[in-house]
Amino acid sequence: DTAVSQTPKYLVTQMGNDKSIKCEQNLGHDTMYWYKQDSKKFLKIMFSYNNKELIINETVPNRFSPKSPDKAHLNLHINSLELGDSAVYFCASSHYFRDRDQRYTFGSGTRLTVV
Amino acid sequence: GQNIDQPTEMTATEGAIVQINCTYQTSGFNGLFWYQQHAGEAPTFLSYNVLDGLEEKGRFSSFLSRSKGYSYLLLKELQMKDSASYLCAVKWVRNQGGKLIFGQGTELSVKP
Repeated sequence: DTAVSQTPKYLVTQMGNDKSIKCEQNLGHDTMYWYKQDSKKFLKIMFSYNNKELIINETVPNRFSPKSPDKAHLNLHINSLELGDSAVYFCASSHYFRDRDQRYTFGSGTRLTVV
Repeated sequence: GQNIDQPTEMTATEGAIVQINCTYQTSGFNGLFWYQQHAGEAPTFLSYNVLDGLEEKGRFSSFLSRSKGYSYLLLKELQMKDSASYLCAVKWVRNQGGKLIFGQGTELSVKP
């Protein structure tokens, strides 16, 4: 009965590879996010989807491509991985931002290590 | 800009009280959240303030002053398990899609 589940939890891969991270939420939220947490623990938003529609697209290399097949799922595909992509990637979900209670629920994170 | 400032590290003693401050740009402010993050885990929601004043939840309280662009998280009767990073996050009206901007986090160490 996990609220926001991400897979995999750990991902070690070589430079140049392509990898995907999957996220699913069962909270009935209509907005989902991808955040990146670097080694200094700064959480920075990458993308957000509301009901399958992209609403936030920060300055992220176009090697990163999110996909939302439905409002309960948000996946992240990364092409041509680079050393600097090593970080912890968190998926989160919430009610729509115009709702007062926009608290995020985070997934457990995916620790990506590029070697 | 949308800077959020909070101290990088704090240390406190078990059983004591600690206050973690957060300052932010006031223009267009539309809500402030506090999250707790234990090492290697996901951030978890602690509190939400959008109006001035104090919100109390058990051992944790959060205060907001919109005019001063200031919030604090107050932790009472500290326990060892409270050792974690505490993240202040702000929503501004003009932010596309209502995204939250997070501060760098305050690493709290609780000593016996």
